[in-house]
Amino acid sequence: EADIYQTPRYLVIGTGKKITLECSQTMGHDKMYWYQQDPGMELHLIHYSYGVNSTEKGDLSSESTVSRIRTEHFPLTLESARPSHTSQYLCASSETLGGEAFFGQGTRLTVV
Amino acid sequence: RKEVEQDPGPFNVPEGATVAFNCTYSNSASQSFFWYRQDCRKEPKLLMSVYSSGNEDGRFTAQLNRASQYISLLIRDSKLSDSATYLCVVNRMGNTPLVFGKGTRLSVIA
Repeated sequence: EADIYQTPRYLVIGTGKKITLECSQTMGHDKMYWYQQDPGMELHLIHYSYGVNSTEKGDLSSESTVSRIRTEHFPLTLESARPSHTSQYLCASSETLGGEAFFGQGTRLTVV
Repeated sequence: RKEVEQDPGPFNVPEGATVAFNCTYSNSASQSFFWYRQDCRKEPKLLMSVYSSGNEDGRFTAQLNRASQYISLLIRDSKLSDSATYLCVVNRMGNTPLVFGKGTRLSVIA
């Protein structure tokens, strides 16, 4: 089993609220990622990080922001949630940037 | 053209059947190739890496054709537990994040 954890697993929240999705890994990986996946659709990379103090935007434009203050922690924040943000958010990490990625169990976000 | 293209399926096959999935990728500089498995409402998990010489893991065989930019996955003697979505995954070039295909859904029927 991969040692990467996401909380919460499920979140239902009202429009306009600020939310932070947590992601932590204990594998010592420098590279971390956030993917967004709608039901039945492909994963889209929204953010990634090369290491501490590094954050990069992915392929899919997202209103979310990320931070990487510690190697093991890569939280994602939405300042003002909207129904269009309803989706599954998957965090992953890897030893190298093109190497095998290990995924957390995901956070299913519903904005009402 | 999408970076990674897969036949979406679904593939409905009886137990014991052999099934093959195909995938094409657009960037000739891609260096890393994988097949992941994703069960319904779960996270993707690595099934196997794909090497230039082809590789086998039990009932699963992966092949890579760099000239045609084509990857395949063969599953022999299908089990009910093989029912899942199979994701073809590549990186664009060198040291870049992975790009996931939309996946091919497999249903193995008793």
